[in-house]
Amino acid sequence: AQSVAQPEDQVNVAEGNPLTVKCTYSVSGNPYLFWYVQYPNRGLQFLLKYITGDNLVKGSYGFEAEFNKSQTSFHLKKPSALVSDSALYFCAVRALNSGNTPLVFGKGTRLSVIA
Amino acid sequence: DGGITQSPKYLFRKEGQNVTLSCEQNLNHDAMYWYRQDPGQGLRLIYYSQIVNDFQKGDIAEGYSVSREKKESFPLTVTSAQKNPTAFYLCASTPLTGPGDYGYPFGSGTRLTVV
Repeated sequence: AQSVAQPEDQVNVAEGNPLTVKCTYSVSGNPYLFWYVQYPNRGLQFLLKYITGDNLVKGSYGFEAEFNKSQTSFHLKKPSALVSDSALYFCAVRALNSGNTPLVFGKGTRLSVIA
Repeated sequence: DGGITQSPKYLFRKEGQNVTLSCEQNLNHDAMYWYRQDPGQGLRLIYYSQIVNDFQKGDIAEGYSVSREKKESFPLTVTSAQKNPTAFYLCASTPLTGPGDYGYPFGSGTRLTVV
């Protein structure tokens, strides 16, 4: 069975400081990993994904994520946080070679960037 | 614009009433998904459909029903058997071969409230 853990319900960071939102996963075989962001009463917006290749993936709005196979982690990072980054962030996973099977999501981490 | 349209944005249900949430996509995607979002619980899969006239139960299908008569439409009915339907409902889609460069796109959601 696939699963995702986001160990922090809430992350607080000062504007201009680097931010990290943690994610660990469990999947049979190679993972296909995603990060999404959600603003209040809105759908999910895609940030980035990892399939294979470089362990550091760059995505939208200056976000990046680092894949670590040995630690089964896929942490989201940004070098300098903005107040506008405050939102709910979701990590998701599915097995890589599984066509269009559903994504499994973590419970989400609320990021609060303080001016 | 291509995308996923969910309607209505807000829906109120009386006790014992069935209601139907609409999800339409013009992306020519084969697979469609329904998720339920509750605070602190992330997204949980209700039903998904990989092709027309076929669908599978997700993790929390009890009290819900779906149909997939057309490729572009995947309506979700919340029946009176669903005892706690108040939640935010999200629809997503993806091509047969899996997500492209922009992940699984999501609709903007329907917020259902029992009154």
